[in-house]
Amino acid sequence: GEDVEQSLFLSVREGDSSVINCTYTDSSSTYLYWYKQEPGAGLQLLTYIFSNMDMKQDQRLTVLLNKKDKHLSLRIADTQTGDSAIYFCAELRDTGGFKTIFGAGTRLFVKA
Amino acid sequence: KAGVTQTPRYLIKTRGQQVTLSCSPISGHRSVSWYQQTPGQGLQFLFEYFSETQRNKGNFPGRFSGRQFSNSRSEMNVSTLELGDSALYLCASMPGQGDSPLHFGNGTRLTVT
Repeated sequence: GEDVEQSLFLSVREGDSSVINCTYTDSSSTYLYWYKQEPGAGLQLLTYIFSNMDMKQDQRLTVLLNKKDKHLSLRIADTQTGDSAIYFCAELRDTGGFKTIFGAGTRLFVKA
Repeated sequence: KAGVTQTPRYLIKTRGQQVTLSCSPISGHRSVSWYQQTPGQGLQFLFEYFSETQRNKGNFPGRFSGRQFSNSRSEMNVSTLELGDSALYLCASMPGQGDSPLHFGNGTRLTVT
């Protein structure tokens, strides 16, 4: 993706917390999203945060947004083997028309 | 509510041929976007249609085109296929307001030989 950066791999043990980080560049972004992609499937919307929020919690998922540093993170508590997938960070840009820009994705490996 | 439906799921074509992929959005969604996903380039935005009009376009050659019908269903066409067009093509829909998350289908896996 253009200008949305994520680390490519993360490996954690089952039961630990996972933290996936993302940086974006467009300060006009209104929404920031996290999507999950399992093998052979499309992207599933996990959660999203509006740009005027700092944090959002949804069950095992916590999203933190540092707008000053343009840094977004997704924390998965009590990570399970079923959480193994690729996680995409995305930002919604308003450039006269709305466009969603995706990062390259972070592949999460969960070891039993 | 049914999700975004893409057909076919898999397609094998040879270089030089053309291909048409189909996408049915979630009922009530008027915007359809198309993305190309490859291991090397990640998710690349192709175009977005709203009310039968192309509203946004990515940086792809003219061989890639699309259209949207009055029932919001969309088709994507690639002419004169090249080996590099092998990819997962994902369609996504949203209600129509730009500031909404995209809802994705499971994609069409295109292999060009």
